[in-house]
Amino acid sequence: GAGVSQSPSNKVTEKGKDVELRCDPISGHTALYWYRQSLGQGLEFLIYFQGNSAPDKSGLPSDRFSAERTGGSVSTLTIQRTQQEDSAVYLCASSLGSSFGNTIYFGEGSWLTVV
Amino acid sequence: GQQVMQIPQYQHVQEGEDFTTYCNSSTTLSNIQWYKQRPGGHPVFLIQLVKSGEVKKQKRLTFQFGEAKKNSSLHITATQTTDVGTYFCAEGSYIPTFGRGTSLIVHP
Repeated sequence: GAGVSQSPSNKVTEKGKDVELRCDPISGHTALYWYRQSLGQGLEFLIYFQGNSAPDKSGLPSDRFSAERTGGSVSTLTIQRTQQEDSAVYLCASSLGSSFGNTIYFGEGSWLTVV
Repeated sequence: GQQVMQIPQYQHVQEGEDFTTYCNSSTTLSNIQWYKQRPGGHPVFLIQLVKSGEVKKQKRLTFQFGEAKKNSSLHITATQTTDVGTYFCAEGSYIPTFGRGTSLIVHP
């Protein structure tokens, strides 16, 4: 597609429920990133994919968070048993490769509210 | 990724005044990227600096990379209300590491 597409754009869920967030990167981009941004805060790295593999999962905050990528394209970020502190904007980004100086392109984000 | 620190966290200016945000690292950076995030929007890439002492301009925006490649700055001349947003620096490694950003508020 023309840009990074994320869905849903907004999600309100009850504490304890599971949520799935989807990211469709720019066509041809092999690298895919998930970041989290809490209100008024910076960008917190969660996970990085190169193709279908995730060489760096170091940013996932707990074992309730997982992500996968299939076909080198679409990725889903799953949060199990959501907590209120999970409320944030989840930003997906993609880039052509994984070398120095890659420009990364962000999607509009999925705004998650846990009530 | 390397840690990059940004200051100030917030900056209020009157329209027409200049604005500068600074990005600092304790270690040498391979390159530095700058992004702008409008309120309610997502970060958008502005520019990348690679060479020591490099200076690049985009209209009213001037970007500098320090001689030691440990700091960078973004300077906006004669701010406009359209400049409102949060400006992030990031080291453009294989996993870009972002600073906390500087939020610019422009008062008309």
